[in-house]
Formats: sequence, C-alpha cells, structure tokens
Amino acid sequence: QSVLTQPPSVSGAPGQRVTISCTGSSSNIGAGYDVNWYQQLPGTAPKLLIYLNNNRPSGVPDRFSGSKSATSASLAISGLQAEDEGDYYCQSYDITLSGLYVFGTGTKVTVL
Amino acid sequence: QVQLQESGPGLVKPSQTLSLTCTVSGGSISTSSYFYSWIRQPAGRGLEWIGRIYTSGSTSYNPSLESRVTISVDTSKNQFYLKLSSVTAADTAVYFCARVVHRSFDIWGQGTLVTVSS
Repeated sequence: QSVLTQPPSVSGAPGQRVTISCTGSSSNIGAGYDVNWYQQLPGTAPKLLIYLNNNRPSGVPDRFSGSKSATSASLAISGLQAEDEGDYYCQSYDITLSGLYVFGTGTKVTVL
Repeated sequence: QVQLQESGPGLVKPSQTLSLTCTVSGGSISTSSYFYSWIRQPAGRGLEWIGRIYTSGSTSYNPSLESRVTISVDTSKNQFYLKLSSVTAADTAVYFCARVVHRSFDIWGQGTLVTVSS
C-alpha cells in the first residue's frame, strides 16, 4: 500500500538520460517533506542514492540527480550505464496513518 | 565504518512470533543520536517501513503493523531487535535493518529472509 507512485519501468540505451517520477500528496511531499532515492541492484540491499531531494552521498556518481516540486519528485540518470540496471525507490515522510516513512512503488530501470 | 547485520531464524511457523536482531558494528549505538529502523520487502515487491527506535528506547511503528510489532534496543550489546507476533504467510519477506539520518536510510544491513510456513 505504497503512498508514493512511480512508473513500473523505464528503459534507455547506454549513454541516454532517463527520468523517474515520484508522485505523492499533501500529506507527504506536498507537506514539504524531503524526498530520498534508493537504488537496489539484483539480490542486494537498497543503497541511498539521493537524500534531501538533491544531495548525493559520498561515492555516488554525479550522473544521478534529484529534484522536487509541489507534490512530486524526480530522479534523473544521465549517461546511462549497464550497471545502473535495477530497481529504484523514492521515499519520504508522511503525517497520516500511512506511517512515518513511506516508499514509492518502485521503478525497474532497464538498459537496452 | 558503521555496518549493520541482521540475524535470526529463517523459518517461523504461522501464529508464532518472528524475532530478529540487528547488530551495529564500527561505532557505538549509544553515543550517536540516530534512529534505527526495520524495513521489509516481500519477494518481487516493494519496501515497507515497519518501525523505528531511538537510542533512548523511544519507538514509532507503522500503523498497519503496530498491534503486532515491538522494537527494542540493548545499547550494551550494540543491538536492536524486532518482534512481530501472530505471523502469517503475508509476513514472509526479506527483513532489513537500517540507520536513519535526515529522515533517510543511509546504512542498510544485507537483509535476512524470513519465511512463514508450517
């Protein structure tokens, strides 16, 4: 019962730019709460990719960037590489009965 | 470098209690001001936040699981724990523990699969 909606899949050729949307509501993103993004490669734990909307932890390539506006957010991956193939999740904070921390539905990124 | 590691039974019978431990290494859980959380992921599905605990012992839970969840901490052992009661097959999932910073999960354990089956 995710409260943040993402497209099920996106794909692109190596070197291309892809974007993943994350749509929330007035109780989470629209309430001003920050958005974080995670990358989950096959068979591994999620890894923090973007925090506080547009900040990259140390070691995350600058090919990954995040943005936020109103009740939605986006993750962009430029210069798509084969090793980027995996699942991506957005996450925010929610003030309703959805729970304090809420995740997106997840997006599968396929490198063609 | 702080690391988290989950441990516990991989198989739990229906109606029983699932119990997991998360061991924090590379730093003291009691000298840092962080929340620690449990998150789960059923096979082929998305992530679900279960609950969090502060090093003082203060807790918050996902309302959908609150009646069955208890999270606790033992700072002397650098561990925190998850108990989920009255489990059913729907509780079968990979369970992750994670550290919370700026309302994001910055460090994750590798995850442990728990199967609910008789």
